[in-house]
Amino acid sequence: DAKTTQPPSMDCAEGRAANLPCNHSTISGNEYVYWYRQIHSQGPQYIIHGLKNNETNEMASLIITEDRKSSTLILPHATLRDTAVYYCSRSNDYKLSFGAGTTVTVRA
Amino acid sequence: DTGVSQDPRHKITKRGQNVTFRCDPISEHNRLYWYRQTLGQGPEFLTYFQNEAQLEKSRLLSDRFSAERPKGSFSTLEIQRTEQGDSAMYLCAGRRDNSYEQYFGPGTRLTVT
Repeated sequence: DAKTTQPPSMDCAEGRAANLPCNHSTISGNEYVYWYRQIHSQGPQYIIHGLKNNETNEMASLIITEDRKSSTLILPHATLRDTAVYYCSRSNDYKLSFGAGTTVTVRA
Repeated sequence: DTGVSQDPRHKITKRGQNVTFRCDPISEHNRLYWYRQTLGQGPEFLTYFQNEAQLEKSRLLSDRFSAERPKGSFSTLEIQRTEQGDSAMYLCAGRRDNSYEQYFGPGTRLTVT
């Protein structure tokens, strides 16, 4: 299955921006990039998605490179409650293809 | 609250037994998905329903697995003759036709002893 590649872990200081990279070099033209996060013992929570253009919502910003082979999720002001596993995934409309995710730890 | 509930939240069973999980999305979720997640990995797609029609099944879904969504509302996932390798979190997600977001339930954690 086509998946995504992310660093296994990263730390972030509370109040600072967290930049989470994702590689999806084999993404197809009709596949969207999605980001979800998962807090222990809960189901994944939707954050944001995009196709070509950069996107922003109340939770985060998504920057997609022009060749669409990689993207970056930006949490503008990380809080302790943002500590979670963040998954970058791709979708061709029905199924999501997840990688192993990045464990983000926000430290006070 | 995503509006998607799953039951049970935890299930411990002995190898060889059959188990059934239930997923209840909200009525607006025409699309329903099942995923499996093992420790340290992201969710893996199992199957997908559009209303009551099962439109896609992953090769991960062996003959021992069967999923139904009889009235296009709740869904069940049954595993027959469970094996230790079936131990995982089973996640259900719902989605509206005109939306890109999948809303996940809390999952059912299966342990096969």
